[in-house]
Amino acid sequence: EDKVVQSPLSLVVHEGDTVTLNCSYEVTNFRSLLWYKQEKKAPTFLFMLTSSGIEKKSGRLSSILDKKELFSILNITATQTGDSAVYLCAVDFQGGSEKLVFGKGTKLTVNP
Amino acid sequence: KAGVTQTPRYLIKTRGQQVTLSCSPISGHRSVSWYQQTPGQGLQFLFEYFSETQRNKGNFPGRFSGRQFSNSRSEMNVSTLELGDSALYLCASSWDRGLTGELFFGEGSRLTVL
Repeated sequence: EDKVVQSPLSLVVHEGDTVTLNCSYEVTNFRSLLWYKQEKKAPTFLFMLTSSGIEKKSGRLSSILDKKELFSILNITATQTGDSAVYLCAVDFQGGSEKLVFGKGTKLTVNP
Repeated sequence: KAGVTQTPRYLIKTRGQQVTLSCSPISGHRSVSWYQQTPGQGLQFLFEYFSETQRNKGNFPGRFSGRQFSNSRSEMNVSTLELGDSALYLCASSWDRGLTGELFFGEGSRLTVL
């Protein structure tokens, strides 16, 4: 069965800390891995990763994929209270049953 | 550009009733997918529609159904509601899921079943 596992499930840090969120997966016919940020209701897109070893960056956020070891990490440097959210990892399949399989998310709390 | 719009935002039903949720995708997007989000299970895929056809379906009972109209708007229906159906139902749209994995989510419909 296709599976996406995120760790840790929750994390509390202070402003200015750097955090690393993990996502591992076991899926067939992998096409891409996506990261979303969910603050209140609607998840918003952060990154899509398809190739191993290529880092995607957006401001203080960055992410990288390791297709050999089947995992991805999301880094947030110099965290701010506005980074508090649930971070969702999802894996996209190619062919056949097309859907996103989501992990249960990592709840990040950044305290001032 | 308007985002994905879901209605109603909140609703309360009792067991045994049925409910219909609506989703208007971003203009030009032809694919609409539905997800159920609960604290215990996270986001789980319900089904996806593209050009009025259901392309994929998740592992949910037949009480969960949906459809898509010619203008790409979609509805999902849950019949004979159970307490466990209480959840946030999220709709997401994209131009074509076959070409890009990025989905644009609506803010969801929060269903409470009493």
